[in-house]
Amino acid sequence: DVKVTQSSRYLVKRTGEKVFLECVQDMDHENMFWYRQDPGLGLRLIYFSYDVKMKEKGDIPEGYSVSREKKERFSLILESASTNQTSMYLCASSLAGMRETQYFGPGTRLLVL
Amino acid sequence: QQQVKQSPQSLIVQKGGISIINCAYENTAFDYFPWYQQFPGKGPALLIAIRPDVSEKKEGRFTISFNKSAKQFSLHIMDSQPGDSATYFCAASINAGNMLTFGGGTRLMVKP
Repeated sequence: DVKVTQSSRYLVKRTGEKVFLECVQDMDHENMFWYRQDPGLGLRLIYFSYDVKMKEKGDIPEGYSVSREKKERFSLILESASTNQTSMYLCASSLAGMRETQYFGPGTRLLVL
Repeated sequence: QQQVKQSPQSLIVQKGGISIINCAYENTAFDYFPWYQQFPGKGPALLIAIRPDVSEKKEGRFTISFNKSAKQFSLHIMDSQPGDSATYFCAASINAGNMLTFGGGTRLMVKP
């Protein structure tokens, strides 16, 4: 079974803090993704990585950065957290082929005060 | 602006009834359409998917219907059960690629 784990289920931070969200997958997947989930807006892609040290911007990259130093780990960084970044953050991974299934972690609910 | 529009946002169905969730898209380059199911406290998981060269795909009680000319696709859940209560997301990708565009989600509640 594919397992995608996220470092925290719940996180409370203050405006202006630097926030790190960590994601680890154990299936040697090439692709990793960060989404945010908001009611009525579905899942929106923040960043995508198709290999170590490689990244592509998704639909809403502003205010976020990512790091992928090892194949199994993909980090999302909020350089200076703002209240409008309060959301559920989901990490996913997949193989690199066509129409590959994305496997999601349980999510991190971030509250920025 | 969402490229994949999903409706309804919420749905209540009686046990044994049919649940129908609809999605519409504008980008004709989309060529792969998966549905993901998310239970509370869990991440989404792939439920069923369709390619545009077929008009229908069925897996157990779940069926995707696809209308290429109308640029619409829908999920039908037959004999809906309380265990089907979850949030459902349609999605689409271009050139069978790995980047998915998701709809806004439908929260389904099946009443016993």
